[in-house]
Amino acid sequence: AQSVTQPDIHITVSEGASLELRCNYSYGATPYLFWYVQSPGQGLQLLLKYFSGDTLVQGIKGFEAEFKRSQSSFNLRKPSVHWSDAAEYFCAVEGGFKTIFGAGTRLFVKA
Amino acid sequence: EAEVAQSPRYKITEKSQAVAFWCDPISGHATLYWYRQILGQGPELLVQFQDESVVDDSQLPKDRFSAERLKGVDSTLKIQPAELGDSAMYLCASREGQRNTGELFFGEGSRLTVL
Repeated sequence: AQSVTQPDIHITVSEGASLELRCNYSYGATPYLFWYVQSPGQGLQLLLKYFSGDTLVQGIKGFEAEFKRSQSSFNLRKPSVHWSDAAEYFCAVEGGFKTIFGAGTRLFVKA
Repeated sequence: EAEVAQSPRYKITEKSQAVAFWCDPISGHATLYWYRQILGQGPELLVQFQDESVVDDSQLPKDRFSAERLKGVDSTLKIQPAELGDSAMYLCASREGQRNTGELFFGEGSRLTVL
C-alpha cells in the first residue's frame, strides 16, 4: 500500500527567503504525485502534479517540485516566499485509484 | 468557475445525535470522494464513488457512518450516532474520471464539532 511522509510538522521562513518542504513516498510502481495547499478553514487546492517525463515540475504561485526516484522524494520548493504563502501544504500519492495524503507541513512566514 | 459545493459549512451537535453532510460535485465528474480531516492531520479517505457505485469504503466506520450517491450526482454522508471523536472537517472532492491526468477538486468542507 502507498504511504506519504512529510517529516516537518511546521516550518518558519522569513519573507523573501527560499523554501523547501520535504515529502517521501512509498509505492511499488511509478506513482502519481501531487502537492496541495490548504488555507485555514478551506478546502485543498492543487499546486502541481507529477505523472511522468521531466522530473522538475512547475506549478502555480511560483512553486516547483522535483521527483527523485532514487530517494523516493518529491520535495516542494519556492525561491522567494511571500506572506500570502502561509498555509498548510500536503503531499499526496495516487496509486490503485486512491489518493493518499501526508500529514501536512504548516508554513509560517515572518516579516 | 465550477466548484464542489458542500453544506453545511459548520455543524455543532451533541453526541448520540445524527448528522448529515451534502456534496454536489462539479458537473460531469464521475468520481466522488469523502475525506475526513482531523485537526493537524492530512485528509483520510472514507469512501469513493464511481458514478452511483461505491468503489472503496474500506476506511468507513460502517457501524455509524453511511454514504450514498443515488443518482450518481450529489452525495450524502451520514453519521448516526455521532461520537466525540467524529469532530473533524469532512471534505468532499471530485474528479472527472477514475484516474486521469487531472486533479482532485475539493469543496470548502463541513466542520463538525461533537459536544
